[in-house]
Amino acid sequence: GQQVMQIPQYQHVQEGEDFTTYCNSSTTLSNIQWYKQRPGGHPVFLIQLVKSGEVKKQKRLTFQFGEAKKNSSLHITATQTTDVGTYFCAAVNNNDMRFGAGTRLTVKP
Amino acid sequence: NAGVTQTPKFQVLKTGQSMTLQCAQDMNHEYMSWYRQDPGMGLRLIHYSVGAGITDQGEVPNGYNVSRSTTEDFPLRLLSAAPSQTSVYFCASSNRRDWKQFFGPGTRLTVL
Repeated sequence: GQQVMQIPQYQHVQEGEDFTTYCNSSTTLSNIQWYKQRPGGHPVFLIQLVKSGEVKKQKRLTFQFGEAKKNSSLHITATQTTDVGTYFCAAVNNNDMRFGAGTRLTVKP
Repeated sequence: NAGVTQTPKFQVLKTGQSMTLQCAQDMNHEYMSWYRQDPGMGLRLIHYSVGAGITDQGEVPNGYNVSRSTTEDFPLRLLSAAPSQTSVYFCASSNRRDWKQFFGPGTRLTVL
């Protein structure tokens, strides 16, 4: 079955530093989604990437989908304390969706 | 729209007790699913449904039952609770066009 690896598991940064989380699938994907879960909250949809090599931006967040549609990354520029939480990728292959284990981001003011 | 609602928010059970976690959505989504979240384990799929009357097992189905008699409701039943089922449970729904998941607020379950 489909395997989804997400790294790193944890990342602690100083406010203002950049942050990147990576998601890798064992199979070619239909699309990939990213979610954010604040501490004590539930996952909230951020974005979906569909096309090979696609890059999307949301303010300080940059999302990339690999050329082979097997990997993706989320990059946050100049982190803020509001970025704290766990970021999950969700890999979609036909009707199968698998979540990565998540990257937990903490930000020191 | 209320989105996805879950009840209860918190629950404490004794080993061997049974209970049902409720989930409802008002977005007319075909797809509904249940996940459990444990520290360091991410979101693991328990059961899912692609429409009323259709359910299937996910990654960790043992100890849980589901049914989908209506499009709106997707209850999760624990027949005989075990301490290993202590977790946070999330229900989610989506349409089958883009698979964008809408999550409920979660149920925090403790089994003693």
